[in-house]
Amino acid sequence: KNQVEQSPQSLIILEGKNCTLQCNYTVSPFSNLRWYKQDTGRGPVSLTIMTFSENTKSNGRYTATLDADTKQSSLHITASQLSDSASYICVVSRDDYKLSFGAGTTVTVRA
Amino acid sequence: DTGVSQDPRHKITKRGQNVTFRCDPISEHNRLYWYRQTLGQGPEFLTYFQNEAQLEKSRLLSDRFSAERPKGSFSTLEIQRTEQGDSAMYLCASSLGGPTDTQYFGPGTRLTVL
Repeated sequence: KNQVEQSPQSLIILEGKNCTLQCNYTVSPFSNLRWYKQDTGRGPVSLTIMTFSENTKSNGRYTATLDADTKQSSLHITASQLSDSASYICVVSRDDYKLSFGAGTTVTVRA
Repeated sequence: DTGVSQDPRHKITKRGQNVTFRCDPISEHNRLYWYRQTLGQGPEFLTYFQNEAQLEKSRLLSDRFSAERPKGSFSTLEIQRTEQGDSAMYLCASSLGGPTDTQYFGPGTRLTVL
């Protein structure tokens, strides 16, 4: 069973609207949680990283939250743009180099 | 562009053939990783190098797979006797290390085994 579960699997939103992606994890011990953006046919690119003590981190129109007690994270996209169409992957790191990847949420932004 | 390059970007081969992929990491990064990603899934860890030493191999890496990083710089991933199940995106990443280590991914090599 995957230790990082993301929802929804996919979503479609209209340009200019907001959306929120969810990530639940069971990875332990916990070091940090990242959100990556992966465009079709490209490698993932890091958007945010949060350690245990951080509960929110922003990168432009992307805002990630972390609740380490409930082991949940969210990624909020504000005022979506067509270029936001991509897969968003939640990645949890243990104390070593090992990363646990979620399956991703595919976001499609339509004009 | 993250600074990590991979070659080739696409490879189509027939079942049973050998293929080799190359990854050039960011020059000062001493850690290098290989992942495999299939459609609709997140990347799966294959192997990890610290400089030229291969420190871990996933159970996903069968005997047909071998990776090298001979001088601690670029790395190669070879798949022998390819099977259709090997069709996937092969991603390389590199990092400096440290508590909040960020892995920078290359664009990947898309392998199709016919």
